[in-house]
Amino acid sequence: GEDVEQSLFLSVREGDSSVINCTYTDSSSTYLYWYKQEPGAGLQLLTYIFSNMDMKQDQRLTVLLNKKDKHLSLRIADTQTGDSAIYFCAESTGKLIFGQGTELSVKP
Amino acid sequence: SAVISQKPSRDICQRGTSLTIQCQVDSQVTMMFWYRQQPGQSLTLIATANQGSEATYESGFVIDKFPISRPNLTFSTLTVSNMSPEDSSIYLCSVGAQGTNEKLFFGSGTQLSVL
Repeated sequence: GEDVEQSLFLSVREGDSSVINCTYTDSSSTYLYWYKQEPGAGLQLLTYIFSNMDMKQDQRLTVLLNKKDKHLSLRIADTQTGDSAIYFCAESTGKLIFGQGTELSVKP
Repeated sequence: SAVISQKPSRDICQRGTSLTIQCQVDSQVTMMFWYRQQPGQSLTLIATANQGSEATYESGFVIDKFPISRPNLTFSTLTVSNMSPEDSSIYLCSVGAQGTNEKLFFGSGTQLSVL
């Protein structure tokens, strides 16, 4: 079945790197996504990676995809307090299946 | 990207009543999607709203409870009918890039509390 799993919490210090991990089950996923949700807001599409890529970099964000292990990660370099939010990974199987979300807390 | 306006942004409703949520997009799109996010949970797809045809509902969601309208390519409504406290959630409208079901953009959501 379709299932996307993430750890629920991550706490880092300002200036450090954050790595949020995700595992998924459907190997036929075309795209894999990272969304950010700030308190009281909708979801913001942060970045995505096509399934035939293994890495994508976009400014402070680096996405790594290990298709063999069905593992996706999001690295945020130089994490800032404004990065505090819930981060959702999602796989695309004709519809988007979301993980439970990882709450990132950035301490000054 | 698409600009999606959703209203109301929040509401507090009484048990047994219904609420209609509106979603307006700044461009014409074939498919619009309605999601539910229960407190502390992830997002679950309720249905896909296609213009000119009936909405397609996911397992566990039925038209009588969540009727959807899609009168044109830029607008959709979701009604939450005969509400109970279990319906307290955030309801989100989304559209995909270039009218597809990929790279979804979301509205800011409707925070619904049912007493």
